[in-house]
Amino acid sequence: IQLTQSPSLLSASVGDRVTLSCKGSQNINNYLAWYQQKLGEAPKLLIYNTNSLQTGIPSRFSGSGSGTDYTLTISSLQPEDVATYFCYQYNNGWTFGGGTKLELK
Amino acid sequence: EVQLVESGGGLVQPGRSLKLSCAASGFTFSNYYMAWVRQAPKKGLEWVATISTSGSRTYYPDSVKGRFTISRDNAKSSLYLQMNSLKSEDTATYYCARPDHPGMHRHWFAYWGQGTLVTVSS
Repeated sequence: IQLTQSPSLLSASVGDRVTLSCKGSQNINNYLAWYQQKLGEAPKLLIYNTNSLQTGIPSRFSGSGSGTDYTLTISSLQPEDVATYFCYQYNNGWTFGGGTKLELK
Repeated sequence: EVQLVESGGGLVQPGRSLKLSCAASGFTFSNYYMAWVRQAPKKGLEWVATISTSGSRTYYPDSVKGRFTISRDNAKSSLYLQMNSLKSEDTATYYCARPDHPGMHRHWFAYWGQGTLVTVSS
């Protein structure tokens, strides 16, 4: 399964509601996770099983979707959210999306 | 506390071999699938290999199949990646990763090491 993330680069302001997209080449059956990676750090798990928030992750992060189309939403962007975000599917094998780089406007 | 510490990276010539290691601690290693994930400089994440709890089953993407071999030593709580016939496109930081829950084939990674850099260049 291939994952396509859009946009590849997103500029937004503090307080904005931000939506990142991830589209699979086949049905992912909700076996989708989202990771945040800051410069020079290992990826950090945010969301698993489409919409389950990992322990310790702020509630401004949420996930949704079904079938082939999934979304990560940040309800109110904070400066510390500047990072690259990757989706990841584990329905059929294991695949990462190409990433969305989120920067402050 | 779960800890994953990779080692073995470095500069290697194209066509040569290199073996990476990952020392795990803070959990019952033998209960978990384990995996390697890599990231080329300024690029995205790429799953490289996965091994079942006993080591009897291994999985690879086409990009490394036949060249890379994942293995584990449950007695030593260690994971390995033998990389042969290395190419310039294998240049990346290699992460050792552990799923959130034990024994699950369908898994997401909750724990990552700090990564070890492999540079393939003449």
